[in-house]
Amino acid sequence: EVQLVESGGGLVQPGGSLRLSCAASGFDFNIHYMTWVRQAPGKGLEWVAKITPDGSAQFYVDSVKGRFTVSRDNAKKSLYLQMNNLRAEDTAVYYCAKEQWFRTDYWGQGTLVTVSS
Amino acid sequence: QSGLTQPPSASGSPGQSVTISCTGTSSDVGGYNYVSWYQQHPGKAPKLMIYEVTKRPSGVPDRFSGSKSGNTASLTVSGLQAEDEADYYCSSRGVSGNVMFGGGTKLTVL
Repeated sequence: EVQLVESGGGLVQPGGSLRLSCAASGFDFNIHYMTWVRQAPGKGLEWVAKITPDGSAQFYVDSVKGRFTVSRDNAKKSLYLQMNNLRAEDTAVYYCAKEQWFRTDYWGQGTLVTVSS
Repeated sequence: QSGLTQPPSASGSPGQSVTISCTGTSSDVGGYNYVSWYQQHPGKAPKLMIYEVTKRPSGVPDRFSGSKSGNTASLTVSGLQAEDEADYYCSSRGVSGNVMFGGGTKLTVL
């Protein structure tokens, strides 16, 4: 059974940093693209970033470029999202998801990030 | 990286059919057959319902179907049931390997 479990969310002040983690199990983690998708309270889904299976390339939505970094540790079957210089508009539930040919076929339950003073 | 356009709401009575549209451009929906649809119930993670325009993952009822014409993709739910009431999101491959979502459509079963 595929499982994705996010952690690391919480309350952070504007300009602060946070690192999200996602523990994967039940599939061959090291051969799949992995993705972060977020959802602001009461709003729609927003694709944030993704990383290639070997971690050699990353892709980002324009609004987080230069502030967020996606990475992975295939030995630990873990995905990460380092978020720096956080803004109020980054407040959202962040989902870790497995991607296959531009579709996200498995999702975690999400972790809430709140950026507020 | 503009999002895809969906109607904010749709509705139908039990047993009826409803179609939700998703409009993009030739650089995303119209340019690739990588359109997906997701169902999201309140407080839950999204669930993949349709991928590659028309394909259904295992376990998704055949009441759900997808299609595409030009820059617009569509999700049709036939034989509406109470449990189909949810938010539905489309997504598409965009340029440079990115992905974009639509704004979402709230489906109400009357």
